[in-house]
Amino acid sequence: NAGVTQTPKFRVLKTGQSMTLLCAQDMNHEYMYWYRQDPGMGLRLIHYSVGEGTTAKGEVPDGYNVSRLKKQNFLLGLESAAPSQTSVYFCASSPLENGPQPQHFGDGTRLSIL
Amino acid sequence: GNSVTQMEGPVTLSEEAFLTINCTYTATGYPSLFWYVQYPGEGLQLLLKATKADDKGSNKGFEATYRKETTSFHLEKGSVQVSDSAVYFCALSRDSNYQLIWGAGTKLIIKP
Repeated sequence: NAGVTQTPKFRVLKTGQSMTLLCAQDMNHEYMYWYRQDPGMGLRLIHYSVGEGTTAKGEVPDGYNVSRLKKQNFLLGLESAAPSQTSVYFCASSPLENGPQPQHFGDGTRLSIL
Repeated sequence: GNSVTQMEGPVTLSEEAFLTINCTYTATGYPSLFWYVQYPGEGLQLLLKATKADDKGSNKGFEATYRKETTSFHLEKGSVQVSDSAVYFCALSRDSNYQLIWGAGTKLIIKP
C-alpha cells in the first residue's frame, strides 16, 4: 500500500542551489498535484498535471518547474532556491473518473532554504 | 470566485466534548465538498465528502451536511478523543480538472 511516495522527506539548501523533489504514485492516477503548505495559509497549488506529458500552472508557480514524463512520477524543480521557498511540500494524485474525486497525499517534504 | 472560509483555530476541547468546526463556501454551480484531516507529521487524508445538496458525509464518528441554502459544510463529532487532535481542512472542487479550493485549516487540540 505505497500510495503516494515523496522523496526526500527533509532537505536543507543554501540560497541559489537547485534541487528536484520526486513524487511517485502507484495507483494509476491521471491527475497529480504539487502544493506548498505554510503556517496559517493552508495549501497552495504550485503546479498540476492532468496526464502524462502535460503540466499546468497553479496558484503560486513562480520559481518552480515541473515535469511528468511518466504517468506515475511528477517532479518539482527549484532552479535557484530562495528563502521564501522554505515550506512543506506535498504531492497528491487523484483518478480520472466521473465527478470530483478525493486527492491522495504523500507525507510531505520539509524544505529549508538558508 | 470560489473560496472556502473556516473558523480560525486553534480549537481546544476536553475529551468527550462536542465538536463543531465551521466551514462556509462561495462557489458557482454545484461543487463537491470535502473534509481532510492532517495528523502531526503526516500528509492530508480524506475524512469525508458530500457531492450534492443535503448529502451527509460521515466517517470515524465525524459528520458534515452539505447545506446549499447556507453554503455551509460544518464538521461535527459528538464526543472527541485525544487522538482526534489534528488540523482539519475544508475544501471544494472546481471545474473539470477537479482541482480543490482549500480553507486555511483549523487546528484541533483535545485535552485529556
